[in-house]
Amino acid sequence: DQQVKQNSPSLSVQEGRISILNCDYTNSMFDYFLWYKKYPAEGPTFLISISSIKDKNEDGRFTVFLNKSAKHLSLHIVPSQPGDSAVYFCAATGVGGANNLFFGTGTRLTVIP
Amino acid sequence: NAGVMQNPRHLVRRRGQEARLRCSPMKGHSHVYWYRQLPEEGLKFMVYLQKENIIDESGMPKERFSAEFPKEGPSILRIQQVVRGDSAAYFCASSYFTGELFFGEGSRLTVL
Repeated sequence: DQQVKQNSPSLSVQEGRISILNCDYTNSMFDYFLWYKKYPAEGPTFLISISSIKDKNEDGRFTVFLNKSAKHLSLHIVPSQPGDSAVYFCAATGVGGANNLFFGTGTRLTVIP
Repeated sequence: NAGVMQNPRHLVRRRGQEARLRCSPMKGHSHVYWYRQLPEEGLKFMVYLQKENIIDESGMPKERFSAEFPKEGPSILRIQQVVRGDSAAYFCASSYFTGELFFGEGSRLTVL
């Protein structure tokens, strides 16, 4: 039962262009959403988050958009850099905090120099 | 300030053997979480522990798997009588309270 879905397993983008990673969820009780970035042979590292009371959160080159009615969120990276090449996981949680953190299957982003 | 430390990074076991994975949380963190990532899948929650207590083990398989976080020493995830389907990356994360999770680099278990 995959409650958080990332339907694109991979994405390739030219350096300097915008990367858009998408995530859909099914559980309307989720109220906090996170993006994690993972390099090979390393653990996931927290990137950016958004609460359900917001529809946008920005941190430097990274912006997360939340569309609650569509149960959809997206991560925009602009401009994309080769160092952004990694697997990006979307995660969501509701009541219960981190022990109820549901992850998507990840999207592998490749930024082409 | 060292991050979350997991060892071993790689572990190879034959079917029927036991696997023990260790996790030392970040200094000052008393909350530990174990996640499993099967091939081609996302991370799935297994268990949440505080010192000497299991708070939530709803993601843990009912048999062969156990976890502990003793008063002294690292958290241990123990898998008895491993099977091929246990082959996965096991990630530990810690947090100060129930805030942001900091992940370790993972332990990759291969069952032959």
